[in-house]
Amino acid sequence: GAGVSQSPRYKVAKRGQDVALRCDPISGHVSLFWYQQALGQGPEFLTYFQNEAQLDKSGLPSDRFFAERPEGSVSTLKIQRTQQEDSAVYLCASSLGLAVNYEQYFGPGTRLTVT
Amino acid sequence: AQKVTQAQTEISVVEKEDVTLDCVYETRDTTYYLFWYKQPPSGELVFLIRRNSFDEQNEISGRYSWNFQKSTSSFNFTITASQVVDSAVYFCALSAPHGSSNTGKLIFGQGTTLQVKP
Repeated sequence: GAGVSQSPRYKVAKRGQDVALRCDPISGHVSLFWYQQALGQGPEFLTYFQNEAQLDKSGLPSDRFFAERPEGSVSTLKIQRTQQEDSAVYLCASSLGLAVNYEQYFGPGTRLTVT
Repeated sequence: AQKVTQAQTEISVVEKEDVTLDCVYETRDTTYYLFWYKQPPSGELVFLIRRNSFDEQNEISGRYSWNFQKSTSSFNFTITASQVVDSAVYFCALSAPHGSSNTGKLIFGQGTTLQVKP
């Protein structure tokens, strides 16, 4: 079946622009996670959803970052007034349930470059 | 606090050599889960294995094997008879179960880049 998909795969934004990154999880997956991966680093947790409820947003680096999943499926990560330090790969992952008995399946990521 | 350390930044081996990737973790939780993911040049993280803290049996899957030692807080990964297709970045990760402050999310190490030369 189809895996996690993300769009766009690449995004170049000028500093100060707003961007929106989309994640389509695996059909039927209840949980959805966003991670940020800086160059040469491991992914870092940003936020997660169980269905449409955002249960943890402790990893969002600033109030310029906002995520939503209004119907419990597709999710959008929005970054307002982008800064150069926002340049990274943004990874989305989904899993059947919240508990770690379910492995997280990752999408290919969106590479954001802020110039 | 939870932390994962992968001290080896880069490893280079010649095809058919065995290679071990080290992973050391820190957690105060008594129940936790450990993972290994592979990230090939395409960028997508590929799940390899999940182990829970109560199961210290070593596991083997084809050329891959994992050694979990709670006494040293380590979860090392060995590739036997390495192949060029094994070249990738490998991440070790930690997660705590439902009900703790770290529910669901993965804490990743910095990754080890493995290069297998023909």
